[in-house]
Amino acid sequence: AQRVTQPEKLLSVFKGAPVELKCNYSYSGSPELFWYVQYSRQRLQLLLRHISRESIKGFTADLNKGETSFHLKKPFAQEEDSAMYYCALSGYSGNTPLVFGKGTRLSVIA
Amino acid sequence: NAGVTQTPKFQVLKTGQSMTLQCAQDMNHNSMYWYRQDPGMGLRLIYYSASEGTTDKGEVPNGYNVSRLNKREFSLRLESAAPSQTSVYFCASSEGTGGDGNTIYFGEGSWLTVV
Repeated sequence: AQRVTQPEKLLSVFKGAPVELKCNYSYSGSPELFWYVQYSRQRLQLLLRHISRESIKGFTADLNKGETSFHLKKPFAQEEDSAMYYCALSGYSGNTPLVFGKGTRLSVIA
Repeated sequence: NAGVTQTPKFQVLKTGQSMTLQCAQDMNHNSMYWYRQDPGMGLRLIYYSASEGTTDKGEVPNGYNVSRLNKREFSLRLESAAPSQTSVYFCASSEGTGGDGNTIYFGEGSWLTVV
C-alpha cells in the first residue's frame, strides 16, 4: 500500500533561515514523488517532482530511496513561501493515482 | 484556458439532502479525480476515473457516487448528505495516472457545509 507521512503539521521559520519540510513514504515498487503547494486563496499546484530534478522558487527535493524520503529544502526562506505544502506519491508503473500526505503548513516570520 | 472548473464554489446543505458537484476540464485529460480536504487529514481521494467510461473507488468513497459523463466532465454526488461530509472538495485532472509522473491540475475547490 502507498503511504506518505509528513510528520510536521506546522513549521515556523524566520525569514532568511533554511527550511526543510520532511516527507517519508512507503511503497513497494518504484515511486514517483511530488511536492504540491497551496498558497492562500490559490488552488493547489505542482511545485516540483523528483524526475525533473529541478529547482523551483529556490526549492529542491532529493529522492532518497534508502531512507524512503523526499524532503523539500530551501536555503533561505522568504515570506512568500508561507503556504501549505503537500508531499505526494504515485507508483511508476500501473494506474495508481496520487496519494497525498497530510500536509505541512509553512509560516515564514519576518 | 480555464483548466479545471468546478461548481458550486459554496454550498450549505441540510442533513439528508442530496446534491451534485460538477467538474469540467478543458485540457483533454484522460484522468479525473475527486479529493476532499479536511484539517489535519490532508487530501484524501474519494473516487477517480482513469479514463472515460471507468471509475474507481479511492480512500474514502462511502456516501458518494460519481459519474464520468464524458471525457471533459466528472461529477460527484452526495445522495444523503451527512455532517461528516462537511469539507472542501477538489476536482482534479491529469493526462494519465501514475506511469510517467503526470502532473495533476486542481480546480479551485468547493466549500460544502452540511448542517
